[in-house]
Amino acid sequence: AQSVAQPEDQVNVAEGNPLTVKCTYSVSGNPYLFWYVQYPNRGLQFLLKYITGDNLVKGSYGFEAEFNKSQTSFHLKKPSALVSDSALYFCAVRDRGSTLGRLYFGRGTQLTVWP
Amino acid sequence: DADVTQTPRNRITKTGKRIMLECSQTKGHDRMYWYRQDPGLGLRLIYYSFDVKDINKGEISDGYSVSRQAQAKFSLSLESAIPNQTALYFCATSDPDPGPGANVLTFGAGSRLTVL
Repeated sequence: AQSVAQPEDQVNVAEGNPLTVKCTYSVSGNPYLFWYVQYPNRGLQFLLKYITGDNLVKGSYGFEAEFNKSQTSFHLKKPSALVSDSALYFCAVRDRGSTLGRLYFGRGTQLTVWP
Repeated sequence: DADVTQTPRNRITKTGKRIMLECSQTKGHDRMYWYRQDPGLGLRLIYYSFDVKDINKGEISDGYSVSRQAQAKFSLSLESAIPNQTALYFCATSDPDPGPGANVLTFGAGSRLTVL
């Protein structure tokens, strides 16, 4: 079975400080991993993905994520948070060997960056 | 215009009524999806379609049906709405495997449905 866990419902950080939003996954094979962001009253937007290669992936708006196979994690990071980063963040996984090609999403983490 | 357009954006209806949510896309993607979002539960897949002739059930398809009228159109129906179908519904599209766009979903803005 495939699943994603986002252990924190809420993350609060001061503007200018580094932020981390955690994600762990479970797949039977090798994973494709994704981060999406949802701003209020909007649909989800793609941030970044890990398919293969370098474990550190860089994405939109200065975000990056590191794939750690031994810890089955794909944490989202940003060196210096902005108030405008406040949003709901979703991690998603797909089993690379699956022919169904569908994503499994975590429950989401609400990030709040205060001034 | 948005790449993925959902109508209506908001709908309030009564238990037992039939409801259709529509989705159209200008991305030219073959794959289309319907997700449901509930607070604290994330996104759950209702149905997905890899082309016009291919419809697949997701993890929570009971009480829902879909129609893929064309490559660009994918509608979701609730034949007899019930209150626990109150949720935010998203349509999404993606490129097929393989390719750099595979599984990079483009989402619509959402349709908020309230069933009284």
